Amino acid sequence: GAVVSQHPSWVICKSGTSVKIECRSLDFQATTMFWYRQFPKQSLMLMATSNEGSKATYEQGVEKDKFLINHASLTLSTLTVTSAHPEDSSFYICSARDLRGRVDEAFFGQGTRLTVV
Amino acid sequence: AQTVTQSQPEMSVQEAETVTLSCTYDTSESNYYLFWYKQPPSRQMILVIRQEAYKQQNATENRFSVNFQKAAKSFSLKISDSQLGDTAMYFCASHYGGSQGNLIFGKGTKLSVKP
Repeated sequence: GAVVSQHPSWVICKSGTSVKIECRSLDFQATTMFWYRQFPKQSLMLMATSNEGSKATYEQGVEKDKFLINHASLTLSTLTVTSAHPEDSSFYICSARDLRGRVDEAFFGQGTRLTVV
Repeated sequence: AQTVTQSQPEMSVQEAETVTLSCTYDTSESNYYLFWYKQPPSRQMILVIRQEAYKQQNATENRFSVNFQKAAKSFSLKISDSQLGDTAMYFCASHYGGSQGNLIFGKGTKLSVKP
């Protein structure tokens, strides 16, 4: 299947700083990518839908100024957590669909564990 | 809105035995897909099995099979000959809306396979 690479796998940052997480589709073009957040022992919650060349669509309750999403190319979407605070510590996962194949099948990155100290 | 419900937070099974994980969903869509994903301790999401709603035949993938009851909006996963490597979180999910649609996940079931 298609490969989605997420980087970094884990990051520790100081409170007040910003952190950028990258999500790349390695062998296909992804016009749409999805960003999820997963708290310990909980399910994946959709944060936003990232569309290439346009603004992201955020889910209700997600601060768009805090979680900046940029989808500048067909293979790269980035999530920037701005002015991070300890409550932003979480596991973030991206996914994308390969439109050459089944439109219902989503491929996931390996996730990024963010710890804000 | 679509919802997915998994009522079993945790389950355990002996190695080589069979276990069934439950999932119910609610949707007003006529065309949708249902999935079971596995999330091992590495936290990489792995697709286990998918079911197209318009197909009456239950999907199977080796030791994994589903019991899809469309009228009851039920989508259970049966794991046969359980292996230690099956230990993971299992998420039931639904999807509609083509390439733009996102996945709706249940809360997950933590499965432990005991030797």
